[in-house]
Amino acid sequence: KQEVTQIPAALSVPEGENLVLNCSFTDSAIYNLQWFRQDPGKGLTSLLLIQSSQREQTSGRLNASLDKSSGRSTLYIAASQPGDSATYLCAVPPETSGSRLTFGEGTQLTVNP
Amino acid sequence: DAGVTQSPTHLIKTRGQQVTLRCSPKSGHDTVSWYQQALGQGPQFIFQYYEEEERQRGNFPDRFSGHQFPNYSSELNVNALLLGDSALYLCASSPPSWGPYTFGSGTRLTVV
Repeated sequence: KQEVTQIPAALSVPEGENLVLNCSFTDSAIYNLQWFRQDPGKGLTSLLLIQSSQREQTSGRLNASLDKSSGRSTLYIAASQPGDSATYLCAVPPETSGSRLTFGEGTQLTVNP
Repeated sequence: DAGVTQSPTHLIKTRGQQVTLRCSPKSGHDTVSWYQQALGQGPQFIFQYYEEEERQRGNFPDRFSGHQFPNYSSELNVNALLLGDSALYLCASSPPSWGPYTFGSGTRLTVV
């Protein structure tokens, strides 16, 4: 059974700081890995998707890396802004079908002005 | 291009009642999945529909059932509601090629 862990559970940083969110998974047989953002009481917004054959993906100030063999991914946020405050979730589907996603419990990020 | 649309946004029901939640997938997507998210936790997979059939199911009781229509829209039905069913219910759609999932804004269900 796939298990996804995200560390830290909560993080508070001053504006402008660079930060790293961590995601680990127990079964390396994944199809891809997707990072999401969730604002309080809202749905999920997809940030980045990394295919299992890729090492990293970048979008603006966000960079996600994937080390499939060690079961780890990181989300790097450069020059953080108060608008980045949200919960960040990582999710993986199984290699065989790319269907059901297994989520971590998320990292709640607060960026203070 | 509309994304995933869910209705209603909020719902309050009494224990023992039945509820139906609705989802319209993103244009070009044919697969719909439903997730339950309790407060402070990550979403949990309920089931997935493809070609109007349930393709996969998570660890949820039979009180949770669903349907997919020919236009790919979907419904989630929950019978005999329990207080523990209170959660945010998220619908996600994906394209045929297992591309990235797109999530809706969710339906907040409160059971009293």
